[in-house]
Amino acid sequence: GQQLNQSPQSMFIQEGEDVSMNCTSSSIFNTWLWYKQDPGEGPVLLIALYKAGELTSNGRLTAQFGITRKDSFLNISASIPSDVGIYFCAGPGTTGNQFYFGTGTSLTVIP
Amino acid sequence: GAGVSQTPSNKVTEKGKYVELRCDPISGHTALYWYRQSLGQGPEFLIYFQGTGAADDSGLPNDRFFAVRPEGSVSTLKIQRTERGDSAVYLCASSLTFVGGFSSYNEQFFGPGTRLTVL
Repeated sequence: GQQLNQSPQSMFIQEGEDVSMNCTSSSIFNTWLWYKQDPGEGPVLLIALYKAGELTSNGRLTAQFGITRKDSFLNISASIPSDVGIYFCAGPGTTGNQFYFGTGTSLTVIP
Repeated sequence: GAGVSQTPSNKVTEKGKYVELRCDPISGHTALYWYRQSLGQGPEFLIYFQGTGAADDSGLPNDRFFAVRPEGSVSTLKIQRTERGDSAVYLCASSLTFVGGFSSYNEQFFGPGTRLTVL
């Protein structure tokens, strides 16, 4: 299957700092999704991107669909304690219904 | 309204046993997905249902794994002759429908998962 690599693997930041993470793929994607997963819960969709170069915001979150269509970026501004969790990127497989998830970025916010 | 529910939340079994994991999707959602999430990894696609039929089961790792959705609502993931390597969180998700192609996406709503431990 397609490989989605996320970096960094983990982050420890102070409350109020901005955060950047990225996701790279071995293949071209036509849709990029960013999810957040809290402990003991399923992933929750944060942002969906549909076009190369697209920049989309959801509150303090901003995500971009890379021009090459092989990468995507997620930024979180002014982090707060509830931002703690694991962030996953995901994209559809060739049939469109099979979604590949990245390896995840674990975020810890220190108050 | 109620979200996706999964039962049991935890299941501990012995190697070689048979287990069933249940998923109740959001009412009215016609598409249902099963994923497996190993420790420290992202969810891995197993199977997708559109209505009662398995539209894509290419992610099932082997023939010990089987899933059904007989009435197009509740789904059961069945694992025969469990192995220690089957230990993982099994996630279920549902969406209103499946929109094919690459230009749009129908949001998948995930349940909390069933943590399966095979001793």
